This record gives sequence, C-alpha cells and structure tokens, in this order.
Amino acid sequence: DAKTTQPTSMDCAEGRAANLPCNHSTISGNEYVYWYRQIHSQGPQYIIHGLKNNETNEMASLIITEDRKSSTLILPHATLRDTAVYYCIVRVEGFKTIFGAGTRLFVKA
Amino acid sequence: EPEVTQTPSHQVTQMGQEVILRCVPISNHLYFYWYRQILGQKVEFLVSFYNNEISEKSEIFDDQFSVERPDGSNFTLKIRSTKLEDSAMYFCASSLSRGRSGNTIYFGEGSWLTVV
Repeated sequence: DAKTTQPTSMDCAEGRAANLPCNHSTISGNEYVYWYRQIHSQGPQYIIHGLKNNETNEMASLIITEDRKSSTLILPHATLRDTAVYYCIVRVEGFKTIFGAGTRLFVKA
Repeated sequence: EPEVTQTPSHQVTQMGQEVILRCVPISNHLYFYWYRQILGQKVEFLVSFYNNEISEKSEIFDDQFSVERPDGSNFTLKIRSTKLEDSAMYFCASSLSRGRSGNTIYFGEGSWLTVV
C-alpha cells in the first residue's frame, strides 16, 4: 500500500502558485520523496524528488519539512496544461514504485 | 530528451489471443518495468527486470504474463491468453539504477489494450 496521504482534489487559478501537500509520516531516514504527474491517460511524468533539502527545477519546487513527515510540491505559476493527477511517492525498498490515488489538480482560467 | 517509447499505442484483441507489447527503454538505462492502469484506477506495478531476469513482480503478474529483452534495445510484455480484465493501459518504464538517489523511473506514453 501507498505510504503517502494526499488530498483527493484541489483547484488553482491560472497564473497562481499551486501548492500540493503530501503526508508521509512513516518515511524512513534514507527514503526519497518523488513527485510524478499524469495528464489525462498519458504516462506518469517525473517532476522532482528530494531527500531532506528543498529542491527546485524548471518544473517545480519541493519543500520537505524538517522532520520529513510531509512535503509540498509547488508549481509557481500554474497553467491550464498543469491540470493533472499529481502523485507523491516514497520510494520503498526494492524495485516497486507504489502509486496512490494522487491529487487531481484543476487549474481554472 | 531521451524517452521511453512504446508500440502499439492501441491494440484490440480477442479474448484468448496472445498479445505482445513492445517498449524501447532509454538507451543507457539498466532497469526496466511494466505497470498497468485499468481505466479509472491506480497505476499498478507489474514487474521489474534487470540483468536479463525478473527482479520483482506483483501478484498481478501471474503465469499468463512474461517479459523478455530479446535484443539490446527492446523490452517486451507478453500476455499469453488475454482475458477481458486485461483491458488496460500498459506503461513501460526504465531507470538508470535502483539506488534510491538514482532511481528516477521514466515512463512511456503507454499501450492501450482492449480485449473483446
């Protein structure tokens, strides 16, 4: 089972920052937090990942709390094309990546 | 940007027929995966493959399924005798390593299988 908890859905106005929260209270010390998104029925798209420090790339920023029990994915200026299901995933041992239900983000004009 | 490519994008097959879904992983990647997503449901792990053998598989990946890397570039998923419940989007994926820091998994666009 997925080790993360995310809201089922969120709305965001176009041009505003979208902040997507994720709880992973049972994360172990050397597990990374990964974020993917899935637009309609396309393949999951990698966004960003991190261990302890905040991370930023051309797509998003990842803020991880000091206790690592939660994180927030930030899309700084959401566009209509960012409407998707966003998955927060904690890498488990071995090869499996377990996808939860994710957060369905609706970006509205 | 390197990407995982999959063929066919959509296949319709009759129940009981064999199906082979093909994938070309990212060229320098060493770990290969298949996932599936039944319409409206979660993305589910099926199998991982490394060094020409299965590394891990889920309970979904029963004897009807098999994977193969027939040459240096392709990675295939075979469903021996398809059932209606095999209708789903099948995603191939690959990663450079399995170490957590380098284990970013990149997915293809999927092959939509419809069993009738």
